[in-house]
Amino acid sequence: GENVEQHPSTLSVQEGDSAVIKCTYSDSASNYFPWYKQELGKRPQLIIDIRSNVGEKKDQRIAVTLNKTAKHFSLHITETQPEDSAVYFCAASLFGNEKLTFGTGTRLTIIP
Amino acid sequence: GAVVSQHPSWVICKSGTSVKIECRSLDFQATTMFWYRQFPKQSLMLMATSNEGSKATYEQGVEKDKFLINHASLTLSTLTVTSAHPEDSSFYICSADTAEDLQETQYFGPGTRLLVL
Repeated sequence: GENVEQHPSTLSVQEGDSAVIKCTYSDSASNYFPWYKQELGKRPQLIIDIRSNVGEKKDQRIAVTLNKTAKHFSLHITETQPEDSAVYFCAASLFGNEKLTFGTGTRLTIIP
Repeated sequence: GAVVSQHPSWVICKSGTSVKIECRSLDFQATTMFWYRQFPKQSLMLMATSNEGSKATYEQGVEKDKFLINHASLTLSTLTVTSAHPEDSSFYICSADTAEDLQETQYFGPGTRLLVL
């Protein structure tokens, strides 16, 4: 089955700086790669996703890149703000409506 | 649109009792619902996939006789934790997929926190 690794497990950045979180996956058949933000005790919130037919997607301060050959994808957050502090999970699935395999999570702390 | 609810939001029960958790899609029909479990400071782990009108598909290591899943309609799936024990204490989250959404995105419920004493 699919295996998703995520690094780093914790990340602290100064407010205004950029944050990068990286994930690798094992199943070359995976085509859908979402990123979720989870605040304590809350449901995961989809912040951005990318499908295998594109290499990069951007939404304001958030961007995701995908390298299918190397089987890794990354989340980039620019101009970080205190409200970006949360746990971020990457995931992979065959399609968006298929079961998700989650990474281990990254606790991002933005230092004011 | 695409709202998923769960009930209850939290539950405390005694060891050995059974607990039922409901997952509802409020404004769409969910062809597939997924049940995940999340232990403190850990990731979400898929427990099972349920399709309306058919038996759930359980992930390896998940006891199907302990975690009973019923997907009786296109808007409701239930997870029953039978003979709950303290090690079953966790955050249970469902997600639902809608065939109506061309984006093919899953929508997560708010989660149910279970504490077994």
